[in-house]
Amino acid sequence: NAGVTQTPKFQVLKTGQSMTLQCAQDMNHNSMYWYRQDPGMGLRLIYYSASEGTTDKGEVPNGYNVSRLNKREFSLRLESAAPSQTSVYFCASSMRTGGSSYNEQFFGPGTRLTVL
Amino acid sequence: AQSVTQPDIHITVSEGASLELRCNYSYGATPYLFWYVQSPGQGLQLLLKYFSGDTLVQGIKGFEAEFKRSQSSFNLRKPSVHWSDAAEYFCAVGAPNNNDMRFGAGTRLTVKP
Repeated sequence: NAGVTQTPKFQVLKTGQSMTLQCAQDMNHNSMYWYRQDPGMGLRLIYYSASEGTTDKGEVPNGYNVSRLNKREFSLRLESAAPSQTSVYFCASSMRTGGSSYNEQFFGPGTRLTVL
Repeated sequence: AQSVTQPDIHITVSEGASLELRCNYSYGATPYLFWYVQSPGQGLQLLLKYFSGDTLVQGIKGFEAEFKRSQSSFNLRKPSVHWSDAAEYFCAVGAPNNNDMRFGAGTRLTVKP
């Protein structure tokens, strides 16, 4: 049981390049999330997926796209990377079942991305 | 949307001393509250959570937190800090009607020998 896994762990891009960050969970959770973490700002939600086939914008979605490939996998794509996207990216998952139910999120180890 | 403030960016305590990390939230109804810990280069680990009921919640590693509605606070406490507690601590607030969990900026804890 690996929990939430992310690849790659580190990545360096040049401005304008594209890349996809991968995330997978083996806990049969229905909700998945992408956050970015910047110094002094905590974690900010980029996109989330409440269930397979649905995605929604979070607090800072500009410059990103996501795909919920299946229940296990949720990818984050940078189409044209910018230096402002230099950050640590975390994927998370939870067993959110809708309505007023709520459960804690489980986090992956993160991807450290540098855009030059 | 809900929001969280952690007033202390950095706290230093001596090993064996007590610890209190502050967290204030903004939300119109009863929030869902969390404390996470992040060791350097690692992901976030849940310490404890409050959804409803008893306002004093116990977590892992000897931590506890108290929900005070009148003060909009959810402060984290530990009676005796260990060197291994040095890390960054994040308070977070969720709401029952959305998936948008908001995090505070974090408090970095340094433990002196």
